[in-house]
Amino acid sequence: DAMVIQNPRYQVTQFGKPVTLSCSQTLNHNVMYWYQQKSSQAPKLLFHYYDKDFNNEADTPDNFQSRRPNTSFCFLDIRSPGLGDAAMYLCATSRSVEGSDTQYFGPGTRLTVL
Amino acid sequence: AQSVAQPEDQVNVAEGNPLTVKCTYSVSGNPYLFWYVQYPNRGLQFLLKYITGDNLVKGSYGFEAEFNKSQTSFHLKKPSALVSDSALYFCAVSFNDYKLSFGAGTTVTVRA
Repeated sequence: DAMVIQNPRYQVTQFGKPVTLSCSQTLNHNVMYWYQQKSSQAPKLLFHYYDKDFNNEADTPDNFQSRRPNTSFCFLDIRSPGLGDAAMYLCATSRSVEGSDTQYFGPGTRLTVL
Repeated sequence: AQSVAQPEDQVNVAEGNPLTVKCTYSVSGNPYLFWYVQYPNRGLQFLLKYITGDNLVKGSYGFEAEFNKSQTSFHLKKPSALVSDSALYFCAVSFNDYKLSFGAGTTVTVRA
């Protein structure tokens, strides 16, 4: 089945220690998104890639970066995690950036910062 | 600006009873409306969406939603709830681009 995969499902890191979260997709979608979700709140969009074009949301901290080496993979890098960065990180994909296109989400990675 | 409201933090129903999760929206022009469900420690699963056309939209797992333009609502419904429907439900709206505005979420508990 076509899907969005996130690894690892659970990640523990130390305060200030860089961490990378991974997302892959078999849907062959052009757009890949990263969301942050805290404590069952609504997901908050961090940034997205449309093909190779990176688009950062205005209020995303500089501590968060992303890479998309190819169509299938996208990475979220947190350069110096703080305690406030502990959250569920969700990857999503869509065919285009049209408002009518459905975003399909992966299972998420729960990040703990010690 | 586009926004979505889910007026109920929690909905509790007995198994076999009808389930309704409410959503109202505020957006200029014609909205695209979505419902997602989230189980504990999982990502969001797409249930259904309204783009245009028939106001009654049927989705996954027996869920449906009715788009009501005059009341600016898009309530999610299921005729007969199951215990396995217990989860967190999000309504979301987009307009002319990829930006989804999510509601705060409604926790549904279906008791056996």
